[in-house]
Amino acid sequence: AQTVTQSQPEMSVQEAETVTLSCTYDTSENNYYLFWYKQPPSRQMILVIRQEAYKQQNATENRFSVNFQKAAKSFSLKISDSQLGDTAMYFCAFMKHVGGGGSQGNLIFGKGTKLSVKP
Amino acid sequence: AAGVIQSPRHLIKEKRETATLKCYPIPRHDTVYWYQQGPGQDPQFLISFYEKMQSDKGSIPDRFSAQQFSDYHSELNMSSLELGDSALYFCASSFTGGGMNEQFFGPGTRLTVL
Repeated sequence: AQTVTQSQPEMSVQEAETVTLSCTYDTSENNYYLFWYKQPPSRQMILVIRQEAYKQQNATENRFSVNFQKAAKSFSLKISDSQLGDTAMYFCAFMKHVGGGGSQGNLIFGKGTKLSVKP
Repeated sequence: AAGVIQSPRHLIKEKRETATLKCYPIPRHDTVYWYQQGPGQDPQFLISFYEKMQSDKGSIPDRFSAQQFSDYHSELNMSSLELGDSALYFCASSFTGGGMNEQFFGPGTRLTVL
């Protein structure tokens, strides 16, 4: 069974600074996907960034980037130029790749990291 | 762009009552997932449907059932409600031909059991 671990229950960062959220996972699968979701106080689940395990290049989406270390099973999220609107719970998630067409796997989430951006 | 629609957004029920949650996936998405998020917890996978057939099952209680209809909308039926069923219930949808198959979440239904 796959597990996702986020070791930082809470973090805070000053506006405009950079912060890194940690995530490790355990799996015997070779093909899978990793995601970071943001859940603001509205409780909406918003996809921040995604990474395919077979891609060595780290994914980047504007101010958000990841450091994907497949051998170490690590998938950290870096937020640059933090903004007040980045205040939210951040969940790291794993999804197994299911080949051959048809349905795909469900998401397995970590416990989340509550990020506060301070003015 | 169209998003996942869930109804109702809020629901209050008494113990032992029944509740039905509805989900309308993004048009052309062929897979629907249901997740349960308890207070202060991460979302937990309940069940999924691909092309109207159940495709995977997670930690869904026997008191719950779900189905996907011909128009691809899905319903989660919850019977004999317990206090512990109070949670935020998310529906997500994805399109399997889209490569990454990323899941897009609806706004959730907040269920309170009194």
